[in-house]
Amino acid sequence: GNSVTQMEGPVTLSEEAFLTINCTYTATGYPSLFWYVQYPGEGLQLLLKATKADDKGSNKGFEATYRKETTSFHLEKGSVQVSDSAVYFCALSSNTGNQFYFGTGTSLTVIP
Amino acid sequence: ETGVTQTPRHLVMGMTNKKSLKCEQHLGHNAMYWYKQSAKKPLELMFVYNFKEQTENNSVPSRFSPECPNSSHLFLHLHTLQPEDSALYLCASSQEGTSGLRTQYFGPGTRLLVL
Repeated sequence: GNSVTQMEGPVTLSEEAFLTINCTYTATGYPSLFWYVQYPGEGLQLLLKATKADDKGSNKGFEATYRKETTSFHLEKGSVQVSDSAVYFCALSSNTGNQFYFGTGTSLTVIP
Repeated sequence: ETGVTQTPRHLVMGMTNKKSLKCEQHLGHNAMYWYKQSAKKPLELMFVYNFKEQTENNSVPSRFSPECPNSSHLFLHLHTLQPEDSALYLCASSQEGTSGLRTQYFGPGTRLLVL
């Protein structure tokens, strides 16, 4: 079956620290992979995506590379800001059916 | 308006009330979704409509009743809810039928409190 596992939070970092949020997946077929971000009081916003192996998604300084060999899609940012404080969700979309599979979310707090 | 909009943004209702949540997408998509987000729980998919036809119903209680009159509008009708139904209800849309591009776009959500 399809599933996504992401690291437990919460994560607290100082401003300008390096961020990694781990995400691994299990899927049949060739899924697309996504990171969504949810700021307090808001819905989920697409942060970045990758549709095939070795693709790198990037946006707003965040990056994630689709690694088929390790079934991973870890989110990274070189220097976090206070405004990056949010909950981050890893997700996959199977190439069959139209269901998304979300991880449980990782809460990030960046302190000045 | 652009993207996915939801109204109301906040709703307080008693257990005997009947209310409806509305979602509208301005993206030309052909699939729409209702999710429930409760504190400290994973996102739960409730309903999926693809080309206005319901294709998934993940064992949601009958006190939640979806309606999709056209590909741009989605409603969630609520009646005799329970306090444990208090949550953030998120609507999303996507364009199905395009290989590998099932990106879902979310609305801001309706924060529901059942007293």
